[in-house]
Amino acid sequence: AQSVSQHNHHVILSEAASLELGCNYSYGGTVNLFWYVQYPGQHLQLLLKYFSGDPLVKGIKGFEAEFIKSKFSFNLRKPSVQWSDTAEYFCAVNAPGQAGTALIFGKGTTLSVSS
Amino acid sequence: GAVVSQHPSRVICKSGTSVKIECRSLDFQATTMFWYRQFPKQSLMLMATSNEGSKATYEQGVEKDKFLINHASLTLSTLTVTSAHPEDSSFYICSARDPGGLNIQYFGAGTRLSVL
Repeated sequence: AQSVSQHNHHVILSEAASLELGCNYSYGGTVNLFWYVQYPGQHLQLLLKYFSGDPLVKGIKGFEAEFIKSKFSFNLRKPSVQWSDTAEYFCAVNAPGQAGTALIFGKGTTLSVSS
Repeated sequence: GAVVSQHPSRVICKSGTSVKIECRSLDFQATTMFWYRQFPKQSLMLMATSNEGSKATYEQGVEKDKFLINHASLTLSTLTVTSAHPEDSSFYICSARDPGGLNIQYFGAGTRLSVL
C-alpha cells in the first residue's frame, strides 16, 4: 500500500529564511506527486505537481520541488519565505493509470513565518 | 481554475440526526469525486470514491450504511452522515477529479461537523 511521510510537523521560520519540507513516499511503481497548501480558513490548493520529465518542478508563489526517485522523495523548497506563506502544507501521491485513484496524503507540515 | 463548492461550511447537530453535505463542481463536469475526513492535526483520510451513476467505492473501515454517498449528476455528489454521533465530529472535505484526464484534484473548502 502507498504511504506518505512528512518529517516536519511544525516549522517556524523568519521572513527571508530558506525553506525545505521533507516528503517521502512508499510505492514501488510509477507515481504522481503533489504538494498542496492550505492557508488558514481556505481550501486546499495545488502548489505543484510531478508527473514525468524534469524532476525539478516549479510551482506557484516561488515554490519548487525535486523528485529523487532513488530516495523516494519529493521535497518542497523555497529560497526565501514570506509571512504570507504561513499555512499547512501537504504532500500527496497517487498511482497513474488507475482511473479515479484518490490521493494519499502525508500528515501535513504547519509552517509559521514571523515577520 | 476549476472550482469545487462544498456546503455547508459548518454544521452543528444533535446526536442521532442525519446531516447532508453537498459537493458541487461549478464550472466543469466531474465523473469522479472523492470524500475525505480530516481529524485535528492529522492527514486527510480517504473515505470513499464517488462515481457518477454508480455506487461509491468505500475504503476499508468506512461504514457505507453510515456514510451514504450519492453522485446522481456530473456536478453534484452528496455525503449523508446518518444517525450522527459525537465521534463523527470531524472535518469533511470533498474533491473532484480534473475533467481533462489529468490526475489532478480540486478541493472544496470543507465542512466542519460537530455532533452534540
